[in-house]
Amino acid sequence: QVRLEQSGPEVKKPGASVKVSCQASSYILTSYGFTWVRQAPGQGFQWLGWVGSESGNTNYARDFQDRITLTADISTSSSYLELRSLTSDDTAVYFCASGQYHFYYYLLEVWGQGTTVIVSS
Amino acid sequence: QTVVTQEPSLTVSPGGTVTLTCASSTGAVTSDFYASWFQQKPGHAPRALIYATNIEHPWTPARFSGSLFGGKAALTVSGVQPDDEADYYCLLYFPGAQLVFGGGTKLTVL
Repeated sequence: QVRLEQSGPEVKKPGASVKVSCQASSYILTSYGFTWVRQAPGQGFQWLGWVGSESGNTNYARDFQDRITLTADISTSSSYLELRSLTSDDTAVYFCASGQYHFYYYLLEVWGQGTTVIVSS
Repeated sequence: QTVVTQEPSLTVSPGGTVTLTCASSTGAVTSDFYASWFQQKPGHAPRALIYATNIEHPWTPARFSGSLFGGKAALTVSGVQPDDEADYYCLLYFPGAQLVFGGGTKLTVL
């Protein structure tokens, strides 16, 4: 089964941007996509959006669409999350997940290990 | 603001059966919400269990099953094992291609 490897922890100041990467251990089918979610400390999950691995088509959560960019690179089976204008409320563990397209969205079948992002002055 | 609600906590005895539910503030959950279920243990990434209401992933143990019940999505665990103690999250699809997680259910096996 494919595994997803995410980049290391980040510490950012308020107002800065962060970019998190996610790479699959083997080739990702063109029909697959990457979904990004986050989990604040001691909290549940918040869906951020998805990107198609080949198409690059994106769909963002309405609460984030002004300051988030998701990209994918099929040649390296990778995806990237960029989140801008960070505040302390963005402190969370960010997860990528990959899966096949099913009806209207990409399934979250396989998950990365998570990347801790801390926003602090 | 759409809210997805799960039981905050449930307790079940080993070998027993427990049903976790997932409700939408917009009304009854139907198959059009394509409910997914995930299991998360402390310090670990989630593991996918169910998608599209009742379809199991190849790795999902047979004791886990998904359904619709009383206007909610449901995850039933039959023959509960101590290893099933974890947090469980549902995920619903809404019109406009938005996905919303439930707040999670902490399942204790005691």
